[in-house]
Amino acid sequence: RKEVEQDPGPFNVPEGATVAFNCTYSNSASQSFFWYRQDCRKEPKLLMSVYSSGNEDGRFTAQLNRASQYISLLIRDSKLSDSATYLCEGSSNTGKLIFGQGTTLQVKP
Amino acid sequence: GAGVSQSPSNKVTEKGKDVELRCDPISGHTALYWYRQSLGQGLEFLIYFQGNSAPDKSGLPSDRFSAERTGGSVSTLTIQRTQQEDSAVYLCASSPALGREKLFFGSGTQLSVL
Repeated sequence: RKEVEQDPGPFNVPEGATVAFNCTYSNSASQSFFWYRQDCRKEPKLLMSVYSSGNEDGRFTAQLNRASQYISLLIRDSKLSDSATYLCEGSSNTGKLIFGQGTTLQVKP
Repeated sequence: GAGVSQSPSNKVTEKGKDVELRCDPISGHTALYWYRQSLGQGLEFLIYFQGNSAPDKSGLPSDRFSAERTGGSVSTLTIQRTQQEDSAVYLCASSPALGREKLFFGSGTQLSVL
């Protein structure tokens, strides 16, 4: 099992839809998680931190479920500009920061 | 500079040649990571450095790959005797500390091995 796993998608949704991605992790000792956004042929950029209590930033909500060892990203009222690949980051049992494969989102008009 | 700087942005080389990729992290960041990303794939961890500690080299795919970080700042990733399967984008990222901080990425080096 990979240490951090994501469904690669693609997720194809219409504008205005709500879409959610999950990311599972195997290292139960992981403390910090982050979501990154990566546009085509660009480097990843931080989108949100993920806190145990949940984290909301405008249309985006990130949550952590320690019992089931997954993090989630919810996007409400999807925009065309949300089309990108979303990467989750966690830490391995040796402390290095590792990424899921990424989930591709395509928002259609 | 304000961000992580990588050079060159593009590198085309012939199979069997050696290449060096450079990363200049954000000033003051103690952790530095190298990742590789093939087209349409996720980020593959290669190596990370934290301060003066021994680097974690567990992600290096073969002994043709090596990296060093001089003076706790600039890092160089060296690939010897390049192969076509080494073609990918090599991304460097830095972080203020190890393991609990978000990463700031450079724009990457696109390596093409002909």
